Amino acid sequence: RKEVEQDPGPFNVPEGATVAFNCTYSNSASQSFFWYRQDCRKEPKLLMSVYSSGNEDGRFTAQLNRASQYISLLIRDSKLSDSATYLCVVTNNNAGNMLTFGGGTRLMVKP
Amino acid sequence: DADVTQTPRNRITKTGKRIMLECSQTKGHDRMYWYRQDPGLGLRLIYYSFDVKDINKGEISDGYSVSRQAQAKFSLSLESAIPNQTALYFCATSDSTGGTYNEQFFGPGTRLTVL
Repeated sequence: RKEVEQDPGPFNVPEGATVAFNCTYSNSASQSFFWYRQDCRKEPKLLMSVYSSGNEDGRFTAQLNRASQYISLLIRDSKLSDSATYLCVVTNNNAGNMLTFGGGTRLMVKP
Repeated sequence: DADVTQTPRNRITKTGKRIMLECSQTKGHDRMYWYRQDPGLGLRLIYYSFDVKDINKGEISDGYSVSRQAQAKFSLSLESAIPNQTALYFCATSDSTGGTYNEQFFGPGTRLTVL
């Protein structure tokens, strides 16, 4: 079983739609959680951190459920420019907070 | 100019050849990392270095070696390339100060094909 699992998609949605991705992690010692965005053939970039209380950044909302060991990302009012792969990332406090990546969920926003 | 650069950006080579991928950064970070990305598998850590004299194996270090020539430079070598090392390779950097987690910044990637 992968340590961080995501539905690979693709999620095909129209502009303006609301879309949600989930991610599950297996290591209960995981301490920190993130969503990275990766455009096609480009490097990953940090989108947002995920806090236990939930956090919002504009159209993006991230939630963490430690009891069920899953993380979610909600995108409201999807834009064409949101088309990308979204990587769920966790760390734990062992070995200097190494990042463990999920396989990514691909989002395609259509006109 | 990009803060994290990788050379070459694309490379096609043959089985058995020695290949070196280079990474340089101008961010002044002390930590550097090498990852590979395969379709559907996410990024997996090959090696990491917390300073010039520190080298650590990651999840998938077999068949690879690294050298931290300076704080700003971290190179990855494939001593004898094999086809299943065909992948997209990313270098990343982070700063060790400021808390329990520091964002990693990635280079643009090197697409390596081993025939």
